[in-house]
Amino acid sequence: SYVVTQPPSVSVAPGKTARITCGGNNIETKSVHWYQQKPGQAPVVVIYHDSNRPSGIPERFSGSNSGNTATLTVSRVEAGDEADYYCQVWDSSSDHPVFGGGTKLTVL
Amino acid sequence: QVQLVQSGAEVTKPGASVKISCKASRHTFTDYSIHWVRQAPGQRLEWMAWINANNGVTNYAQKFQGWVTLTRNTSISTAYMELSSLKPDDTALYYCAINHDGESYLDYWGQGTLVTVSS
Repeated sequence: SYVVTQPPSVSVAPGKTARITCGGNNIETKSVHWYQQKPGQAPVVVIYHDSNRPSGIPERFSGSNSGNTATLTVSRVEAGDEADYYCQVWDSSSDHPVFGGGTKLTVL
Repeated sequence: QVQLVQSGAEVTKPGASVKISCKASRHTFTDYSIHWVRQAPGQRLEWMAWINANNGVTNYAQKFQGWVTLTRNTSISTAYMELSSLKPDDTALYYCAINHDGESYLDYWGQGTLVTVSS
């Protein structure tokens, strides 16, 4: 089964840029999706297919995918961005989604 | 826009079974697959299984095979997940989520159903 790896935590000061990575073998050949989960809430898609933002998601959220690493970038970080972020790919061999372990974004 | 409304919290004993539901707001229920994702307290998201709402085909993660059963009722746009032989370690929030057929991400999620297994 395909495995994706995230750092457990990322910390950033308000107004700065946070980058959260998602590593996997040749992950650039897969579509990577990102979810934001705030405490007590269900996950919400913030980026789909590597770099697409759903309507209602601020332009401060962007994504990229190259080589063995996909990256979620949050620019001009705000206190309200503090949350857990999960990357997800589709494992075509077993035909189901695979989630990363999640990264807790802390705004200092 | 699709809303998914899940049934309420359950408290049950070890060895028992529970069946939780996930009702979709849209009539195009059969355009989706319904996934179930588990999140133990303070833990990561864990994919469990999906069911194709149109044809009823299912796919289970290996660790959930044999004790998790997915069904659906297309006439009322509702999917169900039955959990059997529950253990205290199965205490978790269980989310339903959907992806459009052919898509690889879960674009709408239910609010989650807390299942507590305790003697």
